[in-house]
Amino acid sequence: NAGVTQTPKFQVLKTGQSMTLQCAQDMNHEYMSWYRQDPGMGLRLIHYSVGAGITDQGEVPNGYNVSRSTTEDFPLRLLSAAPSQTSVYFCASSYSRFGDYGYTFGSGTRLTVV
Amino acid sequence: SQQGEEDPQALSIQEGENATMNCSYKTSINNLQWYRQNSGRGLVHLILIRSNEREKHSGRLRVTLDTSKKSSSLLITASRAADTASYFCATDARDYKLSFGAGTTVTVRA
Repeated sequence: NAGVTQTPKFQVLKTGQSMTLQCAQDMNHEYMSWYRQDPGMGLRLIHYSVGAGITDQGEVPNGYNVSRSTTEDFPLRLLSAAPSQTSVYFCASSYSRFGDYGYTFGSGTRLTVV
Repeated sequence: SQQGEEDPQALSIQEGENATMNCSYKTSINNLQWYRQNSGRGLVHLILIRSNEREKHSGRLRVTLDTSKKSSSLLITASRAADTASYFCATDARDYKLSFGAGTTVTVRA
């Protein structure tokens, strides 16, 4: 099924641990992004990529790294997990960085940092 | 910072009634989009309206955009139990950063 696949769906980390959230899309979308969703705050942009090899920061990038070595994959790395990073993380993609296209979202990763 | 703000925060209606929610934003946009999120799921794209459009329809959805007031509304007609979800507006200012509001939670009672 075409779409955005996120793994894992659930994760519990201890403070200070690192991990990578995986995101893959099979629609040949140029644009990919990571959001976090916290209660009452909507979605906030962490990092985004307008193509392979190109990434940039969003609204809340601190504590996260990304890379885009292929069109399909856009992993999000937590360098040293903190309780403030407890959240639901969504990966999204869009056909083009230009023009009027909606985003396709993954089903999310629910992360708890203890 | 969030570009869009939805109003009301929560809405409860009877099945068959119409649901209207509003979105206000702060800066110039290229387009405005509406998304639906069912509990525990990802967001689903519903409809996109460009800055030079004033109204758009898709099935039971009607979206309006007033760029002079920097506001948009989403109308769901003849609501069904399956419409129970959170609805988010998102603005695209052509800066590669789709900005979301905090959402409106809609409950449709049978």
